[in-house]
Amino acid sequence: QVQLQQSGAELVKPGSSVKISCKASGYTFTSYDMHWIKQQPGNGLEWIGWIYPGNGNTKYNQKFNGKATLTADKSSSTAYMQLSSLTSEDSAVYFCARGYYGYTYDYWGQGVMVTVSS
Amino acid sequence: EIVLTQSPNTMAASPGEKVTITCRASSSVSYMYWYQQMSDASPKLWIYDTSKLASGVPDRFSGSGSGTSYSLTINTMEAEDAATYYCQQCCSTPPTFGSGTKLEIK
Repeated sequence: QVQLQQSGAELVKPGSSVKISCKASGYTFTSYDMHWIKQQPGNGLEWIGWIYPGNGNTKYNQKFNGKATLTADKSSSTAYMQLSSLTSEDSAVYFCARGYYGYTYDYWGQGVMVTVSS
Repeated sequence: EIVLTQSPNTMAASPGEKVTITCRASSSVSYMYWYQQMSDASPKLWIYDTSKLASGVPDRFSGSGSGTSYSLTINTMEAEDAATYYCQQCCSTPPTFGSGTKLEIK
């Protein structure tokens, strides 16, 4: 069965960077886009961007240009998102989600809580 | 970007009651998608292509709409349906989500 297993919670300092992972199993990793979605308490869901692991192509929400960098490792079926220059506004839960016919998401990781605090 | 406005923000329904959640788009969209999110869990795709139920979704759920107005309906509310529901439009970049409707059981 399809599974997306994300890395653990992160507590990071303002101004630093963090890299979170999403390991895929149960399907052909290189055949589906992997999307990343941000959820802040009370703020709903925001699409960050996607990566196509088959060729490394990416597309970002303009709002996250320069904030998020998406990569993928085909050998380990793992997608990564690096967030840089972190501020309190980046404190949120971040989900990876498999793209389903474009910009919908049929399988989700369990989410990673990132807390930015000094 | 297309803004999706859901209503109500929160509601409570009794078992057996009919529930309707609406989602209005700031511009016309071709399809609407709905996700169910339980507390401290990931969202689950619930309804796709406006009216198709995702695998495992009970048939008391339905989706409808077109253009700028869409809805999710539960024919007879059950306790297990208590969750937050989000609408999402796929087809104008960036994809956007509604702010969610928290549905509670009375």
